[in-house]
This record gives sequence, structure tokens and C-alpha cells, in this order.
Amino acid sequence: LAKTTQPISMDSYEGQEVNITCSHNNIATNDYITWYQQFPSQGPRFIIQGYKTKVTNEVASLFIPADRKSSTLSLPRVSLSDTAVYYCLVGTPGTYKYIFGTGTRLKVLA
Amino acid sequence: NAGVTQTPKFQVLKTGQSMTLQCAQDMNHEYMSWYRQDPGMGLRLIHYSVGAGITDQGEVPNGYNVSRSTTEDFPLRLLSAAPSQTSVYFCASSSPGGSSYNEQFFGPGTRLTVL
Repeated sequence: LAKTTQPISMDSYEGQEVNITCSHNNIATNDYITWYQQFPSQGPRFIIQGYKTKVTNEVASLFIPADRKSSTLSLPRVSLSDTAVYYCLVGTPGTYKYIFGTGTRLKVLA
Repeated sequence: NAGVTQTPKFQVLKTGQSMTLQCAQDMNHEYMSWYRQDPGMGLRLIHYSVGAGITDQGEVPNGYNVSRSTTEDFPLRLLSAAPSQTSVYFCASSSPGGSSYNEQFFGPGTRLTVL
């Protein structure tokens, strides 16, 4: 299972774009990259998933360089409600062992 | 759909007591799992199941038992509670299929305190 490394915490101001980078140097060929968001006292919630290049949905964008050894979650124009912990996971479909790291605690300031 | 439900929401046990945390999902998902989350930490996988009758250990299985007799239910049993098992427990489910690493749906969690 590929180990991931993320910054422990980040601060941002409302309206700014936030980029959270995850390092996964030993990612395997079949591994996908998935990001989850967790608010206090709630279970994590799926945000976005990708394999290579760029993926965008209504919530975020995920950028994955060609070597796939890192990925960046981009949150456009954050608001106070985006204050949460963000987790990066790497894994192969069918293995079912989803390993969460310690995540990145994002605090959005007014 | 209720999604993933967990009961109870809160529980206090004394050391040595046993109990079962309940988890149910109504999405017909094959995969279900249990995690624990200690204060300020990430989630750690306890046990998981890829279908009825099939379970396997995660990162931290000691002190916990699971069984999966139906697709919908995946209870987690603590046989003899210890203070080190004080944590928030999350159940999750997902549906494998295709080539993507499928989205997990999480329950609201059970906050367990062992005195």
C-alpha cells in the first residue's frame, strides 16, 4: 500500500484558492488517488478521485503529474464552511484496504 | 435511502465489558469496513468485508471481532473493552465495480468511552 504524506495544517482566507499537495512516491501502476473531506464529529466524505492528469468536479480539481508521485487537491474560492480535514488516499481497485493518513487540517479565516 | 447507519451514537463501558457496535447500509454495497479515529488522528482500518461471509483484518484488528451474515449488516464486537479502545468508530460501505477506486460512504460514527 502506497504511503502518503501531506502537510499537517494550512490556513487560508475566504475567497482564496487553496492547494493541498499529497506525496505518494511509491504509488503502484494500478493505484488511484482519492481525496476525502471530514468535518468535526462527522464521517469522511468523498471529494474527488483520479488516475492521471486533471480531474474536475463541482467541488474541486485534482492535478496529477505524469510521474504520479504526488497530487494536488485544488479548492477554488474557499469559504468558512470548507474548514475541515482533508485526506489523500492511494490504492488499487479490488484490494479494499483503504489506508487513511493523518490528513491536512485546513482552517479558513474570515 | 438512509445510507449507512450506526448505533449507538454514544456509549460508555467499563473495562472488561463487552458490546456490539451496529452498522447497516441500504445501498446493497458489497464492501463494508470499520475504522477507529482517535483524537486528532486519522482513521485506522480495523476490519473489512468484501461480501457476506467474507471478512479480513485491517491495520488494528486486535480486540475486535466481526462477522457478515447479510449484505446489509456488519457488526463490530468488543469482547473485553479496554481504555485503549476509547475512540470514535466509523463504519463505511462501497460498491466495487469497474476500474475505479470506489467511493466509500461513511456512517455518522459511534463515540465510545471505556473507563
